[in-house]
Amino acid sequence: KNQVEQSPQSLIILEGKNCTLQCNYTVSPFSNLRWYKQDTGRGPVSLTIMTFSENTKSNGRYTATLDADTKQSSLHITASQLSDSASYICVVSGANDYKLSFGAGTTVTVRA
Amino acid sequence: EAGVTQFPSHSVIEKGQTVTLRCDPISGHDNLYWYRRVMGKEIKFLLHFVKESKQDESGMPNNRFLAERTGGTYSTLKVQPAELEDSGVYFCASSRREILGTGELFFGEGSRLTVL
Repeated sequence: KNQVEQSPQSLIILEGKNCTLQCNYTVSPFSNLRWYKQDTGRGPVSLTIMTFSENTKSNGRYTATLDADTKQSSLHITASQLSDSASYICVVSGANDYKLSFGAGTTVTVRA
Repeated sequence: EAGVTQFPSHSVIEKGQTVTLRCDPISGHDNLYWYRRVMGKEIKFLLHFVKESKQDESGMPNNRFLAERTGGTYSTLKVQPAELEDSGVYFCASSRREILGTGELFFGEGSRLTVL
């Protein structure tokens, strides 16, 4: 069983609307949690990195939250744009931090 | 500054053939990583180089996979002989710091391997 579970698997939203993606993890010990955006045919690009002590971090219209007690994170996209269409991957770092545990990703499709 | 570059972007080979993937990390990044994503699964770690040394290759699936980083610059990942289950996208990443912590990890665009 994967140590990082993401939901939903995919979603479709209208341009201008908001959406929230979920990430639950079981990785322990916990070092940090990252959200990546991966456009089709491209490599993952970092959006946010959060440590144990951080609850919220924003990057433009992207806001990530972290609850290390419940081992949950979310990524909120505000006022979506067509360019937000991509796969969003939750990545958790544990003791061997470079190995990283990847979620399977949530595919977001933004429609005009 | 150039990012992590990978070549080829897509390779189609027959079962039993050999394929070599190449990764050029960001200049000055001593740490280079290989990951792969097989169909429908999450991305998984393969191995980690610090300069030319293999720091951790615990994710390599079997001895048909050979990674090298001669001179501590670019790296190659050879699959010989390729099997159907090797199909997937192979990502290379690089970082400046050995202990990644909250440091940035930069990914290449990936090399898609299709084994027929």
